[in-house]
Amino acid sequence: EAGVTQFPSHSVIEKGQTVTLRCDPISGHDNLYWYRRVMGKEIKFLLHFVKESKQDESGMPNNRFLAERTGGTYSTLKVQPAELEDSGVYFCASSQPGQALSGTQYFGPGTRLLVL
Amino acid sequence: AQSVTQLDSQVPVFEEAPVELRCNYSSSVSVYLFWYVQYPNQGLQLLLKYLSGSTLVESINGFEAEFNKSQTSFHLRKPSVHISDTAEYFCAVRMEYGNKLVFGAGTILRVKS
Repeated sequence: EAGVTQFPSHSVIEKGQTVTLRCDPISGHDNLYWYRRVMGKEIKFLLHFVKESKQDESGMPNNRFLAERTGGTYSTLKVQPAELEDSGVYFCASSQPGQALSGTQYFGPGTRLLVL
Repeated sequence: AQSVTQLDSQVPVFEEAPVELRCNYSSSVSVYLFWYVQYPNQGLQLLLKYLSGSTLVESINGFEAEFNKSQTSFHLRKPSVHISDTAEYFCAVRMEYGNKLVFGAGTILRVKS
């Protein structure tokens, strides 16, 4: 069974540009999460999808960030326009249907974003 | 609000020595506890978890952690480390009825020969 995949693995962009990160969860996992680790600090929650619906987006830093999950499969996280402080590693995770409260979250390898 | 404190940012240790990575959390409600590991150039992998029952949980590669409710701790231990254990270890908590993980800052374990 394939794990959580993320694309690209690395992205280097200039301030003001737009970047779109993609996450493909484990097949059949309804729950999808985005997390971010900035500058070696804690990994912080951004948002949670259940299928195509945003269940919790309390961690989204500002309106420059837009997450979508059309069709309830893969998800994208767009940063527009990117700022220097957006640099970091963006992780995606997924868990099984009906197990948002108790299920193990399986993480992808992360996308390393550097904004210059 | 929940928070997780990993008291050591880096822990250097010689191969075959014991190691303890410390984790304390603050929460006024029941929590689930996790340790994740990130090997170099890889993603986060679940190492072990405490949901309920026995307070001592073990992983398949020799790590164990003990949930101590009175001390709000979930320290990770291994009696004899191997070079391949070199990685960054993250402690995380989730509220009993919550959906998001709250992570500590991570501890880098460096095993030397």
